[in-house]
Amino acid sequence: DAGITQSPRHKVTETGTPVTLRCHQTENHRYMYWYRQDPGHGLRLIHYSYGVKDTDKGEVSDGYSVSRSKTEDFLLTLESATSSQTSVYFCAINPAGGGDTQYFGPGTRLTVL
Amino acid sequence: GIQVEQSPPDLILQEGANSTLRCNFSDSVNNLQWFHQNPWGQLINLFYIPSGTKQNGRLSATTVATERYSLLYISSSQTTDSGVYFCASGGNYQLIWGAGTKLIIKP
Repeated sequence: DAGITQSPRHKVTETGTPVTLRCHQTENHRYMYWYRQDPGHGLRLIHYSYGVKDTDKGEVSDGYSVSRSKTEDFLLTLESATSSQTSVYFCAINPAGGGDTQYFGPGTRLTVL
Repeated sequence: GIQVEQSPPDLILQEGANSTLRCNFSDSVNNLQWFHQNPWGQLINLFYIPSGTKQNGRLSATTVATERYSLLYISSSQTTDSGVYFCASGGNYQLIWGAGTKLIIKP
């Protein structure tokens, strides 16, 4: 158990509202990731972090921002949610750093009406 | 960028059967992982296998990096093996995911 929790687990919001999803880990791992998963697709990387205040964009970063002020928390923010951001969002950590096994949180199902 | 293709997209088997899932990737990579997503949505890492062969119980995986493919073998399938199997490939930070193979094991 990599000790990863996500909150909230489910959220319904309206177009144009800001939304923040939280990923919390208990093991002080350096590398953390946010992905989205849409029907019929694998996961797509939104943003990742390689340390406190160190973040970078993934392949689908438009419309999302992230922050990491503490090792244990990685926040994903949708500044103004759109219906195209309806998805399941997964957080992941990488204990060994860089190129190695990733472990996933339980996911957050977000619906934007 | 890297492209990852998985086949077959769907597979329906009887309990006890063996199966082979394939993952092709378009470029040289130093990271190849296999994951299982169960019917409740949970993602479980099966193998980190940028090259070579690994085995874990009834599951094994082989990656031939020079030919840019990886295979996941499931022997003596059980109903609990049902779900979607993903391979993901890439570098140190970014993984590109295939669309998955949906496996249904019938009792």
